[in-house]
Amino acid sequence: SAVISQKPSRDICQRGTSLTIQCQVDSQVTMMFWYRQQPGQSLTLIATANQGSEATYESGFVIDKFPISRPNLTFSTLTVSNMSPEDSSIYLCSVSAGNSYNEQFFGPGTRLTVL
Amino acid sequence: AQKITQTQPGMFVQEKEAVTLDCTYDTSDPSYGLFWYKQPSSGEMIFLIYQGSYDQQNATEGRYSLNFQKARKSANLVISASQLGDSAMYFCAMSGYGNKLVFGAGTILRVKS
Repeated sequence: SAVISQKPSRDICQRGTSLTIQCQVDSQVTMMFWYRQQPGQSLTLIATANQGSEATYESGFVIDKFPISRPNLTFSTLTVSNMSPEDSSIYLCSVSAGNSYNEQFFGPGTRLTVL
Repeated sequence: AQKITQTQPGMFVQEKEAVTLDCTYDTSDPSYGLFWYKQPSSGEMIFLIYQGSYDQQNATEGRYSLNFQKARKSANLVISASQLGDSAMYFCAMSGYGNKLVFGAGTILRVKS
């Protein structure tokens, strides 16, 4: 299984500012995913990030609000731009195991609170 | 479109007893995977068990087993001999095109001593 770390683990931010979340994997992976989990809710996929190509965003999420970088096979960043209190969530990155299971391993998450 | 339904917002179980968490799914894809994840209060997502749509036998992983009924489109998680540390949120999820996971709403499990 892959070991995934995220930075920061939590943050409190002011509205109108931006925060960049980092996701580091201990092995090379093709597919990385970013999810949002709003308080008391389930996980919702924001986008899929493949190295060497633009991220693919799900319905309701746009690049201007959630720009993603994927510079190499072990690292990705998600930026939450122009934040509002509605952006307060846990943001999780995950990677595909690359096996027939399509199993995904998750990072520990970033708890974001926007005031 | 794929959809996961978890109808139990919360469940209680007595320590050392077994509990079943319900999950039904909907998909038009013939090939798919079904997963269960555990999310403790710390927020991390812990993979528990997987069932492939073509698997003939129900998956088992230690105290976890998946009761897969394909015709009924259900994939219930059975936890045997519940422990206090099993108290957490449990999510059922499905994978399909593009390796994306679709999650259910989750079930909060509380184990009583």
